[in-house]
Amino acid sequence: QSALTQPPSASGSPGQSVTISCTGTSSDVGGYNYVSWYQQHPGKAPKLMIYEVSKRPSGVPDRFSGSKSGNTASLTVSGLQAEDEADYYCSSHAGSNLPYVFGTGTKVSVL
Amino acid sequence: QLQLQESGPGLVKPSETLSLTCTVSGGSISGSSYYWGWVRQPPGKGLEWIGSIYHSGFTSYNVTLKSRVTMSVDTSKNQFSLELRSMTAADTAIYYCVILPIDYSIINWGQGILVTVSS
Repeated sequence: QSALTQPPSASGSPGQSVTISCTGTSSDVGGYNYVSWYQQHPGKAPKLMIYEVSKRPSGVPDRFSGSKSGNTASLTVSGLQAEDEADYYCSSHAGSNLPYVFGTGTKVSVL
Repeated sequence: QLQLQESGPGLVKPSETLSLTCTVSGGSISGSSYYWGWVRQPPGKGLEWIGSIYHSGFTSYNVTLKSRVTMSVDTSKNQFSLELRSMTAADTAIYYCVILPIDYSIINWGQGILVTVSS
């Protein structure tokens, strides 16, 4: 099972929006509405930002939103802030034999 | 809120077995409907799911690691554990214990423990 494909990097100026893609197959992203997104700052554990494609856990700002079309999921960060600079990973359910497959990760820079 | 803390050695010799324990606080393993699991991250690289366990003892392992992995749960101590055999340098990573609800997200992570495989 291959990792989901994410762009290595993305960037934007403060206040702008950035969108990160997460491309899989019909066996994972396209087959289930179980896509999650995680934010990871250097030296820290990942933090859940989005689950079930577009739902936000309590405490996550509404600047973070998720969507999915076909085999590609996306995370959009609107109104970029300095603290949004981090690595972002997507994850998808891929069936009973592989409950969790992760993306390759995207480093978001705030210019 | 449920919190997790990993414990175990930071250095393991090649071919040896890694044993890690995750202690859960703020709630009971047996009293929840969550799965409990392990995820690892080689330095500077991405995330990899290792496996999951329910308080009943039901397990699910990553097929690429299945032959070397055993997970167990001790509800009396509110802990769950990971055993990874025949360690090599490729197993050098930060190992996180995690909480896994039924929506296939990961709602909470331990702080992580760096395990280095070296003689």
